[in-house]
Amino acid sequence: TQLLEQSPQFLSIQEGENLTVYCNSSSVFSSLQWYRQEPGEGPVLLVTVVTGGEVKKLKRLTFQFGDARKDSSLHITAAQPGDTGLYLCAGGGETSGSRLTFGEGTQLTVNP
Amino acid sequence: SQTIHQWPATLVQPVGSPLSLECTVEGTSNPNLYWYRQAAGRGLQLLFYSVGIGQISSEVPQNLSASRPQDRQFILSSKKLLLSDSGFYLCAWSVPDGRLAITDTQYFGPGTRLTVL
Repeated sequence: TQLLEQSPQFLSIQEGENLTVYCNSSSVFSSLQWYRQEPGEGPVLLVTVVTGGEVKKLKRLTFQFGDARKDSSLHITAAQPGDTGLYLCAGGGETSGSRLTFGEGTQLTVNP
Repeated sequence: SQTIHQWPATLVQPVGSPLSLECTVEGTSNPNLYWYRQAAGRGLQLLFYSVGIGQISSEVPQNLSASRPQDRQFILSSKKLLLSDSGFYLCAWSVPDGRLAITDTQYFGPGTRLTVL
């Protein structure tokens, strides 16, 4: 069974601060996806990374896939209250086809 | 563009009653379809997935069942609800990429909040 561990589980910061969320596993994934979810809504895809060492930027968000494709990080620069939400990482296993393994999520709160 | 719909948005049901949640996708053909359950503020647990009409794979033994009567319709059902069935149910779709070892991006519906009393 593939597992993804996210840390921290909860994060509360002030507007303007930087933060990093981690997603780690002992398993290799063919791809890693990051989602953001707001209360009462479905998760919305932020990015998909597929190559070891890959870095993608989405405005103030920077996503990195580990060289060994076992871990990923999400870094937010100058966080804003609109960044508040549940951040979920999800890994696609090399043998699991189209199924994703989800982490338990990081609940981020950015206070004005 | 593709859209995914789920209904109802909210449901309150007594223990022992039946359940039917519906999910439909528009704007794509032969999608892979998924049902997930999410506990409050936590990750997603895959319940069922389907790669075609009538093809259902169950990930965990439970009180629920799924059916895919049409290409873009996915239904989650139960004959008798349990208290433990309460949760946020999410439907998702993906289109097979066709490349080996590449997991398809999944797109989620708005969810159904189920409360069993």
